[in-house]
Amino acid sequence: DAKTTQPPSMDCAEGRAANLPCNHSTISGNEYVYWYRQIHSQGPQYIIHGLKNNETNEMASLIITEDRKSSTLILPHATLRDTAVYYCIVRRVTPGNQFYFGTGTSLTVIP
Amino acid sequence: GAVVSQHPSRVICKSGTSVKIECRSLDFQATTMFWYRQFPKKSLMLMATSNEGSKATYEQGVEKDKFLINHASLTLSTLTVTSAHPEDSSFYICSASLTSSGNPYNEQFFGPGTRLTVL
Repeated sequence: DAKTTQPPSMDCAEGRAANLPCNHSTISGNEYVYWYRQIHSQGPQYIIHGLKNNETNEMASLIITEDRKSSTLILPHATLRDTAVYYCIVRRVTPGNQFYFGTGTSLTVIP
Repeated sequence: GAVVSQHPSRVICKSGTSVKIECRSLDFQATTMFWYRQFPKKSLMLMATSNEGSKATYEQGVEKDKFLINHASLTLSTLTVTSAHPEDSSFYICSASLTSSGNPYNEQFFGPGTRLTVL
């Protein structure tokens, strides 16, 4: 699976949009981009995933560049409860295929 | 969404003892379960992949005799840390994957984690 690069930390003001970037320049055509987050001392929580089209759900939006070499997770109105480590993972959708976590981005939402 | 539970949530044991951690998929059958460990302020590290009814596949550097994994049913996997030592103290997280038309992207659902402290 392709490797990902994320900034180690970011701050965001409460109520503003949080934009978390991820680089995956070696992504293959059959690899999806997944985002998970982990609040302190809890298991990771699924946020969103996509292949090449932009995706939106009740939690976030995922913007994938046309060349698929990078993506941005957008939390439209960040709250204090969104403070967490956000992981961008690239993987093939194969039964039993593993997730390999990178270092992630520690997002702090500031009141 | 699918729910995965872990038991216990916290365990403290003496050095040299063995500790068993359970991972259960509560509302779905998991053909594949995964075990991770996480040290403070570090990312999750995949330890092993277990498929129901077969031997687990361990990641490079993970001792299979130290970390015994059993996946006896489609809803239960166990991780036993044998002869635990203080360096085994960590946060252990499991995840489960449903391989079916109901989960075409093979999404993983994570448990809440187990905090192991070895004295």
